[in-house]
Amino acid sequence: AQTVTQSQPEMSVQEAETVTLSCTYDTSESDYYLFWYKQPPSRQMILVIRQEAYKQQNATENRFSVNFQKAAKSFSLKISDSQLGDAAMYFCAYRRYGGATNKLIFGTGTLLAVQP
Amino acid sequence: DVKVTQSSRYLVKRTGEKVFLECVQDMDHENMFWYRQDPGLGLRLIYFSYDVKMKEKGDIPEGYSVSREKKERFSLILESASTNQTSMYLCASSSPPKGTEAFFGQGTRLTVV
Repeated sequence: AQTVTQSQPEMSVQEAETVTLSCTYDTSESDYYLFWYKQPPSRQMILVIRQEAYKQQNATENRFSVNFQKAAKSFSLKISDSQLGDAAMYFCAYRRYGGATNKLIFGTGTLLAVQP
Repeated sequence: DVKVTQSSRYLVKRTGEKVFLECVQDMDHENMFWYRQDPGLGLRLIYFSYDVKMKEKGDIPEGYSVSREKKERFSLILESASTNQTSMYLCASSSPPKGTEAFFGQGTRLTVV
């Protein structure tokens, strides 16, 4: 069975600084998707970034980028120029490629605080 | 703008009551999911449905059932609510194989007293 592990329950960063959130996963599949979701205090889950496992290039969305290491099964999220609005719970998630019934498997989350 | 709507943001129920949590999506998605979110445990899948009247158990189905009579609506049912079912419940939908992203509702915080 696939599993997703986030080993940092809480992180803190100064405004305008850079922070990296860690995620590791376990799977025997070769094709899959990885995601980072953000859940602010409003509770609305928002997709931050997505990575396809067959793509070697790391995904980037504005200030958010990932370091995808397929062999190490590692998928970290880097937030550059942190802003107060980045304060939220961040979840790493895995989904197997293909199929009609594939589900998202989540890690336990990292609570990010942004200090002014 | 895509939308997944859960019927209540906050709900308080008594032990032993039958509880219905409703979720509606307007994106014509085939897949719908119910997750439970608890501190330190992340999101755990209760049930999911890949088509009307089709369902599969997730990781923690005990004490729950689901209903999907129409494509846009997915209901989570607590047959006899217990205090250990006090939690945040999140509904999500997606549309494989093209759509890998799941869209979430705003969550229902259920308290069973």
